[in-house]
Amino acid sequence: GDSVTQMEGPVTLSEEAFLTINCTYTATGYPSLFWYVQYPGEGLQLLLKATKADDKGSNKGFEATYRKETTSFHLEKGSVQVSDSAVYFCALADQAGTALIFGKGTTLSVSS
Amino acid sequence: DTGVSQDPRHKITKRGQNVTFRCDPISEHNRLYWYRQTLGQGPEFLTYFQNEAQLEKSRLLSDRFSAERPKGSFSTLEIQRTEQGDSAMYLCASSVTGIHGYTFGSGTRLTVV
Repeated sequence: GDSVTQMEGPVTLSEEAFLTINCTYTATGYPSLFWYVQYPGEGLQLLLKATKADDKGSNKGFEATYRKETTSFHLEKGSVQVSDSAVYFCALADQAGTALIFGKGTTLSVSS
Repeated sequence: DTGVSQDPRHKITKRGQNVTFRCDPISEHNRLYWYRQTLGQGPEFLTYFQNEAQLEKSRLLSDRFSAERPKGSFSTLEIQRTEQGDSAMYLCASSVTGIHGYTFGSGTRLTVV
């Protein structure tokens, strides 16, 4: 079945450091790919998405490119802030959009 | 539009009791989803409605769980005879198509003691 694998955390960075969180997927067909963020005590918020190969999703300085050849959707940010501290989830939706399949999440902690 | 609302935010119940959660989706969204999230894990799909029809249920949804969306608007998730293993965050989400992502509510945290 479809699955998402993302790097284990926690990821600990200093403010203004470069961030990469790796995500790879297994799916049949052409899934849509997402990054969601969850701040402490809150629900999940959609951070960015890409619905076809080579699309780049971007939001709030975060970027991820849908790479079909490597089945990857790595999240990057050039300069993290303390306020970016949260749990980040990579997810995919099949072509029918029936259900999102999530990775286990990666905790990011940014210190000043 | 205030987004997806879930009620209650927190619920503590004794083992063996029944609990019911409510979700009010974004009004224009015809799809509604329930997920369960345990500590340190990503959300796991439970069930999905398109309008009032329940179209898919996960194997995680045992016969103690039932979900309804009677008029294609709000939805309820009931857990009968709760067990300690049911302790989790229950998340509701809604969307128009699904393939462009969902909007999640803040969740209901259930603690079974």
